[in-house]
Amino acid sequence: SAVISQKPSRDICQRGTSLTIQCQVDSQVTMMFWYRQQPGQSLTLIATANQGSEATYESGFVIDKFPISRPNLTFSTLTVSNMSPEDSSIYLCSVGEYEQYFGPGTRLTVT
Amino acid sequence: AQKVTQAQTEISVVEKEDVTLDCVYETRDTTYYLFWYKQPPSGELVFLIRRNSFDEQNEISGRYSWNFQKSTSSFNFTITASQVVDSAVYFCALLAWDSNYQLIWGAGTKLIIKP
Repeated sequence: SAVISQKPSRDICQRGTSLTIQCQVDSQVTMMFWYRQQPGQSLTLIATANQGSEATYESGFVIDKFPISRPNLTFSTLTVSNMSPEDSSIYLCSVGEYEQYFGPGTRLTVT
Repeated sequence: AQKVTQAQTEISVVEKEDVTLDCVYETRDTTYYLFWYKQPPSGELVFLIRRNSFDEQNEISGRYSWNFQKSTSSFNFTITASQVVDSAVYFCALLAWDSNYQLIWGAGTKLIIKP
């Protein structure tokens, strides 16, 4: 299984600002996934990021709000833009063809 | 449409009791995969098991066991002789080709093991 790290592990941000979350994998992977998990809820897929192509966003998520970069096969970033308190969540990246392996998550609080 | 239902929102048992977490799924695909994940209070999601639709054998791993029954579209998870460290939220998930290669997640079951 892949080892995945995320930075930052947590942050407290003011509304209207942006935060970029980094996801690093210890091996080359084709697809990376970004999820949001709101407090006490299940996981919601934000987008799938393939290297060399635009990320594919799920319904309810748009590129202007959650731009994603995937510059190579081991790294991706997710930016949460123009944040509001409703963006307070855990953001997780994952990799895997069948079962997915997850990073430790980024706990974001927007005040 | 694909769907995963974990009807038990929260379960609380005393340590050493056995506990079963239910998972019922819906898919029209004949080829699909089912998964269980554990999310302890630390927040990290831990993969526990994958089962494909062609393998209905039950799986046992230590105190954990899984019962897959296609006839009832269920993939239940039993913890035997529960321990406080088993306290976590457990998620069941489904991967089917007609879900555009996305994991479909259940709502999760919060398991509390009291000492």
